[in-house]
Amino acid sequence: EAQVTQNPRYLITVTGKKLTVTCSQNMNHEYMSWYRQDPGLGLRQIYYSMNVEVTDKGDVPEGYKVSRKEKRNFPLILESPSPNQTSLYFCASRAGGPSTDTQYFGPGTRLTVL
Amino acid sequence: GQSLEQPSEVTAVEGAIVQINCTYQTSGFYGLSWYQQHDGGAPTFLSYNALDGLEETGRFSSFLSRSDSYGYLLLQELQMKDSASYFCAAPGAGTALIFGKGTTLSVSS
Repeated sequence: EAQVTQNPRYLITVTGKKLTVTCSQNMNHEYMSWYRQDPGLGLRQIYYSMNVEVTDKGDVPEGYKVSRKEKRNFPLILESPSPNQTSLYFCASRAGGPSTDTQYFGPGTRLTVL
Repeated sequence: GQSLEQPSEVTAVEGAIVQINCTYQTSGFYGLSWYQQHDGGAPTFLSYNALDGLEETGRFSSFLSRSDSYGYLLLQELQMKDSASYFCAAPGAGTALIFGKGTTLSVSS
């Protein structure tokens, strides 16, 4: 089954404690991205990657890091989480290129930073 | 800047037809996508318009007018399960995908 998986699904942590949210896709997609979703603000892109070792900032990259060492994995790293990073996070992938239509989303990770 | 504008809320009754509009301002426009998201769930792809005109997929249709930088999602024969948020999206700078803030559709009986 074609899918994007994320772990963990729920996480409560404290300010300053480094964390990683994993993302993996089994569709051999070139393009992967991370979004955060906050009430009234919609989906805002944090980082995206067009292929292995190629990443770029989205609209809200501050406080986040990513890496793309393998095509299927695209972890999101919060080196020093702060309460304003409390949000619902989605990983997504698509085959590649701006003209590609379908983007597949993971189930989401609800993060709370105390 | 790059942006997509859509209404924040729409209400309708079962069996009705509703149209959700989206106007966009992006660089290097390739096409307009629509996604559905139920409360607490992941967005799922509904439709994509690369060319002007109407695309129909069952009860849902999507329209694009490049000259007007405008598109819409048309939902027919509304059902309670259609209550959800609907997002339009388009490529932004590079290959980033920019989303509108979403339209919450409430369907009542």
